[in-house]
Amino acid sequence: ETGVTQTPRHLVMGMTNKKSLKCEQHLGHNAMYWYKQSAKKPLELMFVYSLEERVENNSVPSRFSPECPNSSHLFLHLHTLQPEDSALYLCASSHTSSETQYFGPGTRLLVL
Amino acid sequence: SQQGEEDPQALSIQEGENATMNCSYKTSINNLQWYRQNSGRGLVHLILIRSNEREKHSGRLRVTLDTSKKSSSLLITASRAADTASYFCATNDSGGGADGLTFGKGTHLIIQP
Repeated sequence: ETGVTQTPRHLVMGMTNKKSLKCEQHLGHNAMYWYKQSAKKPLELMFVYSLEERVENNSVPSRFSPECPNSSHLFLHLHTLQPEDSALYLCASSHTSSETQYFGPGTRLLVL
Repeated sequence: SQQGEEDPQALSIQEGENATMNCSYKTSINNLQWYRQNSGRGLVHLILIRSNEREKHSGRLRVTLDTSKKSSSLLITASRAADTASYFCATNDSGGGADGLTFGKGTHLIIQP
């Protein structure tokens, strides 16, 4: 798990708060991903960044705003979230020439 | 849209027995991958099988792929308590890099000591 790190590991926020999730990869990869894992639902792909450019946005509400300042860092900015947004948010990275993705430990988010 | 669908949803076996999990998918794929997730943590990649492969082994893991039936199976032999986890299949549709994976709901495997 030390290849991809995520902070914070746990987050509780109110619906009016603004917070950010951070992901950092130490594997020299050039693609990064955000996934959402809700209870009893499959992992859902949210965003894909390749070479620091967003290449996929899976109809995610605008209250989720990703940012990829460089190939090692990925952020997910959160604002005015809803209780149904409570979930485990997983970051992953890969090399663009490889299909295997490496996941971080996730941030457990609770929206009150 | 949901792609992989694992079966069974939950499986409980005795330590030392073999565990078999199945996955079905709907669209054409370039590869299928299996991941393991320990309780509420990140996913760990186990094995990748390409669409032109029928079987692959890695240690105690054996994966098969039947593209005509759009299904895959993961066999864990000689199970151990540490194998207790959720197992997910995931498909990559285009085979290129920087593509998101499409996951199933997973099979929760419990190994009884």
